[in-house]
Amino acid sequence: DQQVKQNSPSLSVQEGRISILNCDYTNSMFDYFLWYKKYPAEGPTFLISISSIKDKNEDGRFTVFLNKSAKHLSLHIVPSQPGDSAVYFCAATASGGNEKLTFGTGTRLTIIP
Amino acid sequence: KAGVTQTPRYLIKTRGQQVTLSCSPISGHRSVSWYQQTPGQGLQFLFEYFSETQRNKGNFPGRFSGRQFSNSRSEMNVSTLELGDSALYLCASSLQLTTEAFFGQGTRLTVV
Repeated sequence: DQQVKQNSPSLSVQEGRISILNCDYTNSMFDYFLWYKKYPAEGPTFLISISSIKDKNEDGRFTVFLNKSAKHLSLHIVPSQPGDSAVYFCAATASGGNEKLTFGTGTRLTIIP
Repeated sequence: KAGVTQTPRYLIKTRGQQVTLSCSPISGHRSVSWYQQTPGQGLQFLFEYFSETQRNKGNFPGRFSGRQFSNSRSEMNVSTLELGDSALYLCASSLQLTTEAFFGQGTRLTVV
C-alpha cells in the first residue's frame, strides 16, 4: 500500500523554466511533508518542508504547496537550473506520534540546457 | 560537524551469505533509520531505532534485522542473502523521531 505517490517517474524541463513536481498521499494522519533531492551515488539531501498548518512554504527558488483537501503537494522550482537535475522524493509523516517518514517512489528531473 | 557515515560503500556477496552494514549518525542524533532503495521502488523503510530501541519496523522479512548501540551507531544485518536484496541501503539520522532526517551516502550491495 503506497501511502505516498509520485505518479511521474520522470520529468524534463527547459533551463530557466518552471519545474513542477507532484506528490499525492492517502493517509489523513500525515501532517508534515518534506522534499528530498538525490544525486547518483549520494544519499538524499533535505530540500524543503511544510507543516499542515500552512499551504505554502518558500525557500529561494523552491516553493512547496500543500492542498490538504486534495491530499496533494507540489514542489515548484523557478527558474530551473542544470544543477537541479536529480531524483526528487517527497516524504510524509504524522509528526505528533511515533510515525516514520514515508517516502514516495521519486521523480527524475532532467533540466535541458 | 561530520555527516552520517555508512560503511562499506560497496559490497558484493554471494547468495546465501549474510552481511552487516554499519551506520554512524551525526553526533547528538539519537534516531537512526534504514531504507532500501531499488529502481522504481523509491525508498522502502526497513526500521528505525531511537535510544537503542526499535521504534518502527517496515514490511521486510525477518532476514533483515538491526540494532543500535549506546553511542547511537547502528548496524543492519541481512542473512541468507537473495538476488533481490541487491540494492542501495541508506541510513538516516535525526535528532528525534520524525524530524528532518540526514542521509548517509549509502552502501551499494550486490548479491550474485
